[in-house]
Amino acid sequence: SQQGEEDPQALSIQEGENATMNCSYKTSINNLQWYRQNSGRGLVHLILIRSNEREKHSGRLRVTLDTSKKSSSLLITASRAADTASYFCATGNSGGSNYKLTFGKGTLLTVNP
Amino acid sequence: GAGVSQTPSNKVTEKGKYVELRCDPISGHTALYWYRQSLGQGPEFLIYFQGTGAADDSGLPNDRFFAVRPEGSVSTLKIQRTERGDSAVYLCASSLGAGAYMYNEQFFGPGTRLTVL
Repeated sequence: SQQGEEDPQALSIQEGENATMNCSYKTSINNLQWYRQNSGRGLVHLILIRSNEREKHSGRLRVTLDTSKKSSSLLITASRAADTASYFCATGNSGGSNYKLTFGKGTLLTVNP
Repeated sequence: GAGVSQTPSNKVTEKGKYVELRCDPISGHTALYWYRQSLGQGPEFLIYFQGTGAADDSGLPNDRFFAVRPEGSVSTLKIQRTERGDSAVYLCASSLGAGAYMYNEQFFGPGTRLTVL
């Protein structure tokens, strides 16, 4: 079963604009990770945020986490055509099974040149 | 350094046949995971290895699926009597370790696209 749910399911923007994707989840987590996937193949790890962190930055990426609302957002600033991909959030549950990542269905981002 | 590699990249087989999918994790990573991704869905957990042992195989859909990691490095996912519903991309990932107090960043391979005709 899928825990995370990304919103929106699809997003189309122009190059240079910012893209914001949201993720909601259901259970208590140890960490939340964002991944990118091109053409339905391998996932590329983007960023991991721990349950005791509220915000994290990596280059043009900014991730926030609100454990009280069980939600996270991924912001990509100054988007590029090469950012076109599917983006997934994945949660590692708290307790002993945090190794088991639970993914959402993803947001398909299209950046138009 | 080398990432996670998976072979073959594509596998087409007929219903009822047996297939083996191979995963070579990042050197030094003790934890290894298999996930399955159907079209339009996110990956779903199948099995987790810590070293040579399967610490959690709760995601395997039925007893036609089996995975091994005999020397704690390379892993093979085995599917017997394949069915059309097994068609999916099978993803392998590895991490340095995993545990209740670890934040296991998982690194994924490119996947094997399995098509059962």
